[in-house]
Amino acid sequence: GIQVEQSPPDLILQEGANSTLRCNFSDSVNNLQWFHQNPWGQLINLFYIPSGTKQNGRLSATTVATERYSLLYISSSQTTDSGVYFCAVVTGGFKTIFGAGTRLFVKA
Amino acid sequence: ETGVTQTPRHLVMGMTNKKSLKCEQHLGHNAMYWYKQSAKKPLELMFVYNFKEQTENNSVPSRFSPECPNSSHLFLHLHTLQPEDSALYLCASSQENTQYFGPGTRLTVL
Repeated sequence: GIQVEQSPPDLILQEGANSTLRCNFSDSVNNLQWFHQNPWGQLINLFYIPSGTKQNGRLSATTVATERYSLLYISSSQTTDSGVYFCAVVTGGFKTIFGAGTRLFVKA
Repeated sequence: ETGVTQTPRHLVMGMTNKKSLKCEQHLGHNAMYWYKQSAKKPLELMFVYNFKEQTENNSVPSRFSPECPNSSHLFLHLHTLQPEDSALYLCASSQENTQYFGPGTRLTVL
């Protein structure tokens, strides 16, 4: 089946720094989402982005479907950005596969 | 996000117990999902229902039994679980593309 790999697995930033998280996938996908999981376990939608670029405040995402990767940019990081960032892809139908996540800690 | 609710939020059960997890979505979506999130592992899709019909069963053991009486409600019936089934169980719903998650039920099997 399709493989989803995220990098880096762990990331520590000083508040105010910028970062780029990467998601590689091994086959064509119909759908790609980025999520943030807060320390209490709640998964929050960040982007639905099967292709192209989107921005929402300090966050932006780019997916290059032909090269099978997606990037999540976090600018001017804040302590509240801490948590785990997941990308998830959907292949045929509703079959959803999550990557292992990038665990981010932002220091004050 | 408050559009998807899950009860209970925490559950401790013995291996011989029978319990049920409940998920309700208030978003008017047609698809609902169960996921399992174990420590140190990615989220694993368990089941998907679309318009009350099961469309995905990801080789889940029969001690987990889903039920979808309508597009707004999803249950996960649990019986004779094992300690390795302890995990965070997450419910999600979607309309076409974007999945929205509930807060999860943290299950501990003793």
